[in-house]
Amino acid sequence: EAGVTQFPSHSVIEKGQTVTLRCDPISGHDNLYWYRRVMGKEIKFLLHFVKESKQDESGMPNNRFLAERTGGTYSTLKVQPAELEDSGVYFCASSQDRDSGANVLTFGAGSRLTVL
Amino acid sequence: SQKIEQNSEALNIQEGKTATLTCNYTNYSPAYLQWYRQDPGRGPVFLLLIRENEKEKRKERLKVTFDTTLKQSLFHITASQPADSATYLCALVVAYSGAGSYQLTFGKGTKLSVIP
Repeated sequence: EAGVTQFPSHSVIEKGQTVTLRCDPISGHDNLYWYRRVMGKEIKFLLHFVKESKQDESGMPNNRFLAERTGGTYSTLKVQPAELEDSGVYFCASSQDRDSGANVLTFGAGSRLTVL
Repeated sequence: SQKIEQNSEALNIQEGKTATLTCNYTNYSPAYLQWYRQDPGRGPVFLLLIRENEKEKRKERLKVTFDTTLKQSLFHITASQPADSATYLCALVVAYSGAGSYQLTFGKGTKLSVIP
């Protein structure tokens, strides 16, 4: 089966511009997650979709970040306007089972965002 | 405050030896703990999950222990090989009660290098 696909793999933008990251989860996976790793820090949770609904968005840093999952398939994460501190690697992950502590997540390769 | 620490940023060992990586945490009460492997330019890949009521879990050359009293997990790779060289991430599974959701809370990782 195809894995979790993220696009673009790397994006370089200037401060104040907008960037949209896309994630295609494994087909049939209802749970979709966004995580982020800022340089020198650990990977941190951003939000969790169950199908098209936001189940948990407690990790979203501020209202410059907007995540959507229309139709419960692929998801987009938009940063507008981008700031320098938004630079990092954005990971998407998906899982099939009803969310539980024993869920195993399959991660994509990540989208590296560089804000200049 | 809540903290997850992986004992060292980098660990070098000789091929054939056992690598032992440590994950300590404070002010969490995780029901589950997961270990992931991450290679450069890739997303984390799930390796093992251990529940709070399990002392030890094994998978081929991998072994994980979980001591909820010490608040510590140990990750062992026996008969290590150069192909085991990667960054290994410890992740606590934390329930976000506000949403009935679960988040992975990661440590910064330990970069393991197995020297031929």
